[in-house]
Amino acid sequence: AQSVTQLDSQVPVFEEAPVELRCNYSSSVSVYLFWYVQYPNQGLQLLLKYLSGSTLVESINGFEAEFNKSQTSFHLRKPSVHISDTAEYFCAVSDGEGFGNEKLTFGTGTRLTIIP
Amino acid sequence: DVKVTQSSRYLVKRTGEKVFLECVQDMDHENMFWYRQDPGLGLRLIYFSYDVKMKEKGDIPEGYSVSREKKERFSLILESASTNQTSMYLCASSTLGGRPADTQYFGPGTRLTVL
Repeated sequence: AQSVTQLDSQVPVFEEAPVELRCNYSSSVSVYLFWYVQYPNQGLQLLLKYLSGSTLVESINGFEAEFNKSQTSFHLRKPSVHISDTAEYFCAVSDGEGFGNEKLTFGTGTRLTIIP
Repeated sequence: DVKVTQSSRYLVKRTGEKVFLECVQDMDHENMFWYRQDPGLGLRLIYFSYDVKMKEKGDIPEGYSVSREKKERFSLILESASTNQTSMYLCASSTLGGRPADTQYFGPGTRLTVL
């Protein structure tokens, strides 16, 4: 079974500083990786995903993540954060193609707090 | 835009009550999911369904059942609520499986308190 590790449960960052949220997953033949964001009092929404192709994927609001197969990592980065980035971020993995791939395994989440 | 709605944002029930949580999606998605979200534990899958009347157990199905009589609606049932089922419950939907996992769309969640 897949597993996802988000070692940092809370990350405080000053506004306009860079941030990295770490995500590691257990290895498999092929994986598909996701970052979801949950703003206060809302459900989760997709931030970005890696399915294939370029190992660097970007979101529309300035986040990016890089798939690193050798290190089994999919860390999320942003060069300059804003107050509006305050949220909880979840990394998730699925097992690739085939029946049952619909399921995602989520990490425990990282709460990003932006300090003005 | 995809919309996933859940019947209640907040719900308070007593131990032993039967509880129904309803989820409706408007995008004709085949797959639907129920998760519970607890601090420090992230999201854990309770059940999912890939078609009408079809269901599969997730990681923590004990104490729960589900029903999917119509494609757009997926219900989570707590047969006899217990205090350890106090949690945030999230519903999600996605398009057909059997290919690289597609985006799951989430509802706003139902915060259930069992007294």
